[in-house]
Amino acid sequence: QQQVKQSPQSLIVQKGGISIINCAYENTAFDYFPWYQQFPGKGPALLIAIRPDVSEKKEGRFTISFNKSAKQFSLHIMDSQPGDSATYFCAAVSDGGGADGLTFGKGTHLIIQP
Amino acid sequence: DTAVSQTPKYLVTQMGNDKSIKCEQNLGHDTMYWYKQDSKKFLKIMFSYNNKELIINETVPNRFSPKSPDKAHLNLHINSLELGDSAVYFCASSHPSSYNEQFFGPGTRLTVL
Repeated sequence: QQQVKQSPQSLIVQKGGISIINCAYENTAFDYFPWYQQFPGKGPALLIAIRPDVSEKKEGRFTISFNKSAKQFSLHIMDSQPGDSATYFCAAVSDGGGADGLTFGKGTHLIIQP
Repeated sequence: DTAVSQTPKYLVTQMGNDKSIKCEQNLGHDTMYWYKQDSKKFLKIMFSYNNKELIINETVPNRFSPKSPDKAHLNLHINSLELGDSAVYFCASSHPSSYNEQFFGPGTRLTVL
């Protein structure tokens, strides 16, 4: 059972455009939603994260939008640059104080064309 | 300074062998994890350790065993390697007060021939 569904699987955006990646979750116990960026041959790196008490979080060109009632969240990359080309993973975890592992989406391969 | 490090980066071995992957973190975190990334890049939690105690053990074969000599290290031992074990294995760590903000190592690519 896939608890976090991510789309699209791949995405091509022109330089300067907006990249949008969507995720939906099923487990209502999830209460921390990070996005990770992974370059080839590297480990995932935390990009930005949100908790369900806010509907939006912005850090530089990266914004998370969160819809608790719909159990959906999305990553927006404004003014996309070729250096943003990478695989992006949404994830979710229940921050119950225990050592829960992250439940990941299947990833989105993003290509920014110059 | 590398926050989470893994050795080796590449590991090529024959079916049936036993191998280990080492992980160290210098972040002072309480919790460490092992994730498996398959050929389709899907990341899945395998284990986590909190204060030397196994917290999670997902549906992972018992050929895989995590061992933590101290809070800064979590090694992964794999016995009787199978072709399906070929994947990239990532170690990660977090501090519970940081809302499960997990920091990942560079990964170990395991190839079983």
